[in-house]
Amino acid sequence: QKEVEQNSGPLSVPEGAIASLNCTYSDRGSQSFFWYRQYSGKSPELIMFIYSNGDKEDGRFTAQLNKASQYVSLLIRDSQPSDSATYLCAVNPGGGGYNKLIFGAGTRLAVHP
Amino acid sequence: KAGVTQTPRYLIKTRGQQVTLSCSPISGHRSVSWYQQTPGQGLQFLFEYFSETQRNKGNFPGRFSGRQFSNSRSEMNVSTLELGDSALYLCASGTSGGETQYFGPGTRLLVL
Repeated sequence: QKEVEQNSGPLSVPEGAIASLNCTYSDRGSQSFFWYRQYSGKSPELIMFIYSNGDKEDGRFTAQLNKASQYVSLLIRDSQPSDSATYLCAVNPGGGGYNKLIFGAGTRLAVHP
Repeated sequence: KAGVTQTPRYLIKTRGQQVTLSCSPISGHRSVSWYQQTPGQGLQFLFEYFSETQRNKGNFPGRFSGRQFSNSRSEMNVSTLELGDSALYLCASGTSGGETQYFGPGTRLLVL
């Protein structure tokens, strides 16, 4: 079983719709969770981070964390063609004060006009 | 604040050679982590340096090594290059630990 799993997609949504991206992780002791966006040929760009159970909203983005189910999700409201990219879920399995991210394979999102 | 910078941006090497990549973190950040990204394996953690000490290491062979200087700049070295080392090498800058990391633009290495 992979440590961080994502559906590779592509996830295709029409412009203006809600895109829902999901991620599960295997290490129950994981402390912090991140969503990065990566455009083709570019480096990952931080979108959201979440540490506590529940929802966290930032503009059109909402991250949801359920530690009991070991599940993280990212909702993108009012999706735009410029949101078309690969979305990477990352987990810091430690919490002991070090920086190590375990990444999922990424979900490719395509927003069509 | 300036972002994370990496040099060089592109490199072409041949098998058996060695390569050194450089990363300058965001000002004030003392943690530098290195990652390898390939189409087949995705993004994989190589190692992390904090205050000139390697604090964590991924599952890569000893040909991959790194160091960090007192100004937090970091270098990684790959010796005896193999074709499979062709990848995008990313460094990420962060604070003490467990918090957000910001990626540089990456160094694209091609091994022929």
